[in-house]
Amino acid sequence: DTGVSQNPRHKITKRGQNVTFRCDPISEHNRLYWYRQTLGQGPEFLTYFQNEAQLEKSRLLSDRFSAERPKGSFSTLEIQRTEQGDSAMYLCASSRPAAVNTEAFFGQGTRLTVV
Amino acid sequence: QQQVKQSPQSLIVQKGGISIINCAYENTAFDYFPWYQQFPGKGPALLIAIRPDVSEKKEGRFTISFNKSAKQFSLHIMDSQPGDSATYFCAASKTSGSRLTFGEGTQLTVNP
Repeated sequence: DTGVSQNPRHKITKRGQNVTFRCDPISEHNRLYWYRQTLGQGPEFLTYFQNEAQLEKSRLLSDRFSAERPKGSFSTLEIQRTEQGDSAMYLCASSRPAAVNTEAFFGQGTRLTVV
Repeated sequence: QQQVKQSPQSLIVQKGGISIINCAYENTAFDYFPWYQQFPGKGPALLIAIRPDVSEKKEGRFTISFNKSAKQFSLHIMDSQPGDSATYFCAASKTSGSRLTFGEGTQLTVNP
């Protein structure tokens, strides 16, 4: 399977714990995006990498959230001191450089439940 | 500020009918308009996309109509099938930009 891969698929955590999600993009895609989707809503942009550089962050991304993409390959999204409001589906997407094609391909997401 | 508004919120059609979902955008810098299909528990999957230099794009049973002056675009699903039952999202972005702005979604149910 050469699509976007996200792990884990599901995560249940207690409030106050830290969680980390991983995204492996399509290999030739240098752009990587994180989105958050709550039930019944469209995905909301969180942050975006071009290669290893984090170029944009949404104001939705509080100080408890941090994302990295070492060496421009896979990416991790960490949430510290989780809150019940963090419960959502976290989606990763990747795309080729904008000058070529802006089609973004999404992974299946990581569903986070904070109890 | 909701930059992409989508309607209706839910839609029920009979098998073989036409499903129509509408979106309106505000940011005139947007120049790429994709539609995504999402099944429960899955990530969104690109269905079809259009750029503002054309007014219509058709791929199989799916057609996007685009009205640049009205800042509106719509998805038409011809000969709707029960397998089309899913949530559909319109989105918009700047070609050179970094993010997709999504509509609120339309839950489509196609009855047999």
